[in-house]
Amino acid sequence: GEDVEQSLFLSVREGDSSVINCTYTDSSSTYLYWYKQEPGAGLQLLTYIFSNMDMKQDQRLTVLLNKKDKHLSLRIADTQTGDSAIYFCAEGGQGGKLIFGQGTELSVKP
Amino acid sequence: DAGVTQSPTHLIKTRGQQVTLRCSPKSGHDTVSWYQQALGQGPQFIFQYYEEEERQRGNFPDRFSGHQFPNYSSELNVNALLLGDSALYLCASSLGSRGTEAFFGQGTRLTVV
Repeated sequence: GEDVEQSLFLSVREGDSSVINCTYTDSSSTYLYWYKQEPGAGLQLLTYIFSNMDMKQDQRLTVLLNKKDKHLSLRIADTQTGDSAIYFCAEGGQGGKLIFGQGTELSVKP
Repeated sequence: DAGVTQSPTHLIKTRGQQVTLRCSPKSGHDTVSWYQQALGQGPQFIFQYYEEEERQRGNFPDRFSGHQFPNYSSELNVNALLLGDSALYLCASSLGSRGTEAFFGQGTRLTVV
């Protein structure tokens, strides 16, 4: 079946790196995504990775994909207080449907 | 370039009533998907519209229906509202039904009392 799991909370100090982890079950997923949601807002697409890639870097964001273990991670370098939000991992299922995890709430302390 | 716009932003309805939510996709996008996000949860896929037809549907009852217009905008209708339908309803647009990037609107917060 389709399922995406994430840990619920992560707390880091400003300036540290944050690593948010995700596991998924659908090995046929073509793309894997990271979205950010701030309080009372919609979802902002941060980055995505094609399933035949191992890594993608985009400024402060690094995505690592371990296809064998169906494990995805998002590393945010030099985390700032403005990065505090809920981060969702999603797998791109058949026909463009997205399957989301429950979200990881990132808290950045000054 | 306008992104995805949804209306209204907030709505309060009574159990048993019907509601219509609206979405205009990002300029250049032709596919609209709807998601329901309950409090503290990730978004759940409701359905997707492409070329004015429902192409995929998630695990939602028939009370949830939709429509796509020739200008690619879309409506989500929910009949016989239940308290459990209270949620943030998100619209996402993409190019093509298998579009790589899906962009989300700000959502409509529906409260059923």
